[in-house]
Order: sequence, then structure tokens, then C-alpha cells
Amino acid sequence: AQKITQTQPGMFVQEKEAVTLDCTYDTSDPSYGLFWYKQPSSGEMIFLIYQGSYDQQNATEGRYSLNFQKARKSANLVISASQLGDSAMYFCAMSENAGGTSYGKLTFGQGTILTVHP
Amino acid sequence: ETGVTQTPRHLVMGMTNKKSLKCEQHLGHNAMYWYKQSAKKPLELMFVYNFKEQTENNSVPSRFSPECPNSSHLFLHLHTLQPEDSALYLCASSQRTTYSTDTQYFGPGTRLTVL
Repeated sequence: AQKITQTQPGMFVQEKEAVTLDCTYDTSDPSYGLFWYKQPSSGEMIFLIYQGSYDQQNATEGRYSLNFQKARKSANLVISASQLGDSAMYFCAMSENAGGTSYGKLTFGQGTILTVHP
Repeated sequence: ETGVTQTPRHLVMGMTNKKSLKCEQHLGHNAMYWYKQSAKKPLELMFVYNFKEQTENNSVPSRFSPECPNSSHLFLHLHTLQPEDSALYLCASSQRTTYSTDTQYFGPGTRLTVL
């Protein structure tokens, strides 16, 4: 089974509107971290937001917020007031200890291409 | 220089060549990573170094040879590659690998083409 699933290959949104990018994850580890990254066409992966499995509140960073529903194992990214510069590939990723001593292994989903229309 | 830098940004090599990719982080981190991003595939972790020691080798073929001389520098030595090795190679660093909060910060990548 895939550890990170992003079911939306592509999404379109009008400038200034909000958009939600879906992410579901699979782990039996009680301690894990969830991340969202943005990858523009230039290739660089840009860190956007982090949510820890024990965090009680949803993470927010400026226009980005993470809708964390632990029981459903979902960690959707919400981008408010979309801008043209938000057009990029977005990746959901998870780090888990998996009974070991290292959180170094980051597992990525397939990504969602977001296109913002003027 | 700030963040994570990678050189070269683009590389074209023949199957018999030997080349090296360089990564440098200016964040004071202790862990560094190599990832491979092929078309239509998720990012694949290749190697992890924590305090200069390799802690993860994700079954990477021996034609890829990593080197981490110190916590700020990471190299990927390439030899006798195959066309299917053409991909974007991304380097990342994090403070450490101890906690789930250890966010990885990425460089701009090296786009490799093997002819």
C-alpha cells in the first residue's frame, strides 16, 4: 500500500480563490510528521508547512493551512487567496520513525499540479 | 550563499563518463540527503548522512557513490550510468534526523541527462 496518496493529478483555481489539495497517508507509527512542499518548474522543492502527529491544532503558515484529520489519516493543504505564482507541483510527504531511531526517511506522494488562472 | 546549493545545475554525460554532483548547505545542519526524481515517479530517497555517517542506502546501484567529507558538503559520484538514470537529483539537509519535526530543506537540483 502507498504510504502517501495524492488523488488529484491536477487542479485548477481562479486567482484570489481558495483551493484544497488532498493528501492521505498510511502509517502505524504513533509519532510522525507531515510536510507539504511546492516545486515550481525550476525544480527546487520549497518547504511550505509542517504538522506533527501529536499537534492538537492545525498548522498555519501565512496563506497556507493544513487541515489535519488524524482519524481519517488525511492532511489536506489549503491555499487561501491563490496567486499566479502559486502555480506549481505540490507534494505531500511524511516522516516516520517506524520503530527505528531515525526520522530521516521522507516519503513523498505523486504530487498535484496546481494551475492558477487570472 | 544561503540555503542549500547544488552544482552543476545541468549535466549531460555519456555512459562511460565519470562525473560528480556537489551539494553544499549553509544552514548549520547535521544531516544531508540525496533524492532522485524521475518523470512520473515520486521522489525516491537514495542516501542519508547524519553527522557525516551514512545511515541510509535505499538499495541504490553501486554506480552511484556518495561522499560526505563534513556536515556541510555532500557529493554524488557517478560512473558508467545508464540512460534510465536521467533524472533530477535533489540534495536536502536538516538539523538532524532525530525528530519528526526535522524539516528537510532542498537545493535547486541537478538535471542529469545520460546519453
